[in-house]
Amino acid sequence: QVQVVQSGAEVKKPGASVRVSCKASGYTFTRYYMHWVRQAPGQGLEWMGIINPSGGGTTYAQKFQDRVTMTRDTSTSTVYMELSSLRSEDTAMYYCARGEYGLDYWGQGTLVTVSS
Amino acid sequence: QSALTQPRSVSGSPGQSVTISCTGTSSDVGGYNYVSWYQQHPGKAPKLMIYDVSKRPSGVPDRFSGSKSGNTASLTISGLQAEDEADYYCCSHAGSYTYVFGTGTEVTAL
Repeated sequence: QVQVVQSGAEVKKPGASVRVSCKASGYTFTRYYMHWVRQAPGQGLEWMGIINPSGGGTTYAQKFQDRVTMTRDTSTSTVYMELSSLRSEDTAMYYCARGEYGLDYWGQGTLVTVSS
Repeated sequence: QSALTQPRSVSGSPGQSVTISCTGTSSDVGGYNYVSWYQQHPGKAPKLMIYDVSKRPSGVPDRFSGSKSGNTASLTISGLQAEDEADYYCCSHAGSYTYVFGTGTEVTAL
């Protein structure tokens, strides 16, 4: 069965970077895009970007263009999202989700807390 | 890219129909037939309910349906049930592999 499992919660100081992992199983990893979506406490969903696990190509939301990097490791069927220059407003639940036009399998979420 | 506009909340009695609108522009909702809808219960990850405007994934009850007219997409729940109480988000492709979510709608069964 398809599973998407994310790494655990993180606490970071302002200005630091965070890397969240997302391990896929139960399907051919390179056949489906992976998105990253975040949700600040009490707020809505915000699309951050997409990675093509096959070739590694990425597209990022303009808002995160200069701070986010998405990569993948096909040997372990894992995608990564790194966000740099963290600020308090980046405190949120970060999700990875499989799919292209419909995100059909979501990770459980990774809470990133930015606090001094 | 601005978030798509949804009503903050909608409500209905059990058994009634409710419709959630999702308004964008010709650069997103109006330009592509790639609108999806997600249901999110508190503390849970979102769940795909509709994709490609009106297609239902396996396992989603047929009381959920989607449509689109111009720059506005809609999700209709026909025969509202207590378990349908949740937040709902639309999402649209916006060109060049970019996407945008809606502002979210809280659905309440009175």
